[in-house]
Amino acid sequence: EAQVTQNPRYLITVTGKKLTVTCSQNMNHEYMSWYRQDPGLGLRQIYYSMNVEVTDKGDVPEGYKVSRKEKRNFPLILESPSPNQTSLYFCASAARGVSYEQYFGPGTRLTVT
Amino acid sequence: AQSVAQPEDQVNVAEGNPLTVKCTYSVSGNPYLFWYVQYPNRGLQFLLKYITGDNLVKGSYGFEAEFNKSQTSFHLKKPSALVSDSALYFCAVRAEGGNQFYFGTGTSLTVIP
Repeated sequence: EAQVTQNPRYLITVTGKKLTVTCSQNMNHEYMSWYRQDPGLGLRQIYYSMNVEVTDKGDVPEGYKVSRKEKRNFPLILESPSPNQTSLYFCASAARGVSYEQYFGPGTRLTVT
Repeated sequence: AQSVAQPEDQVNVAEGNPLTVKCTYSVSGNPYLFWYVQYPNRGLQFLLKYITGDNLVKGSYGFEAEFNKSQTSFHLKKPSALVSDSALYFCAVRAEGGNQFYFGTGTSLTVIP
């Protein structure tokens, strides 16, 4: 089954404790992206990757890091999480082409206390 | 600056009536436009897209959307609403040649039995 998986689905952590949210896709997609969803703000793009070793900032990259060492994986790293990073995070992937129709993962709900 | 506006946070419609969810956009150059739906505790699912060609595009679950270049709009429509259409709907835009996506703040659709 074609899918995007994220782990963990739920995470509660404390300020400053480094964490990684994993994202993996099995569709051989070149394009991968991370979003955060906040009430009243919709989805905002954090980082995206056009292919292995190619990443670029989205609208809200501050406080986040990403890496794309393999085509299928695109982890999101919070080196020193803060309470304002409490949010619902989505990973997405798409085949490169004209449309970039994105497939989304199930989401990771992160709480930073 | 590129952006998407969904002017209605909430839309209520009676079952069987037509529904419209509004979206306007601002982008440099030609837009690629998308609608996604989010059911509770789920990731986003692709509904339909406009890339080029016919201004009326048809998508999943009987939804359609009309691209209006002069009004920079891409409203989502369905002739007859179902209770199961109740969900959160997001409009998104990507500029032709660009790799970044911009999402609206979402519209919560409630179909009343």
